[in-house]
Amino acid sequence: QVQLQESGPGLVRPSGPLSLTCDVSGASISSHSGRWWSWVRQPPGKGLEWIGEIHHNGSTVYNPSLESRVSMSVDKSKNQLFLKLTSVTAADTAVYYCARGESFKWDDWGQGTLVLVSS
Amino acid sequence: QSALTQPASVTGSPGQSITISCNGTSSDVGGYNYVSWYQHHPGKAPQLKIYEVSNRPSGVSDRFSGSKSGNTASLTISGLQAEDEADYYCSSYTSSSTYVFGPGTRVTVL
Repeated sequence: QVQLQESGPGLVRPSGPLSLTCDVSGASISSHSGRWWSWVRQPPGKGLEWIGEIHHNGSTVYNPSLESRVSMSVDKSKNQLFLKLTSVTAADTAVYYCARGESFKWDDWGQGTLVLVSS
Repeated sequence: QSALTQPASVTGSPGQSITISCNGTSSDVGGYNYVSWYQHHPGKAPQLKIYEVSNRPSGVSDRFSGSKSGNTASLTISGLQAEDEADYYCSSYTSSSTYVFGPGTRVTVL
């Protein structure tokens, strides 16, 4: 059973960077060549929004609407994923999820972590 | 990229069948058989119910089924149960090699 756990500061100041970590257990980030790792967010009262995905080889694909502000990385030795979003505004307030993707679907998700952007 | 469209809410009685539609374009839903559906109970992790339009992951009840016609995908829940009350999201792969979600449909069981 794959488990994902997001973590990070619950409060971020406007214009600052948002940085989150996703700890993966039960599977190695590098274990399957066809596996991608995604970040998805859900603003309060709204639907899900795909942020982007990263392969263990470092390849990334980002949502065009966020591409100029987002970066993703992995630490294979620690089995961790990272998300960084710069120049945040209140519109970036959301629950952020990491998810394990394979064959154009997401099989496993974390519980999510709430990030509030506020001064 | 434009989001997919779904009805905001669908209501049914226990034992009934309901269908949730997911409308896209030829650049996403209509162009690929990579539509998936997720059940989301607030405060919990989303759960995959259907992938590649109509396939059920192991362990998912056969009361959940999916289909597609043109640019519209559909999720049907038969034999509706109280535990099915949740938000449901469709997602599709797109011609930009990205993914897009629908706005979600709140399913209420009377």
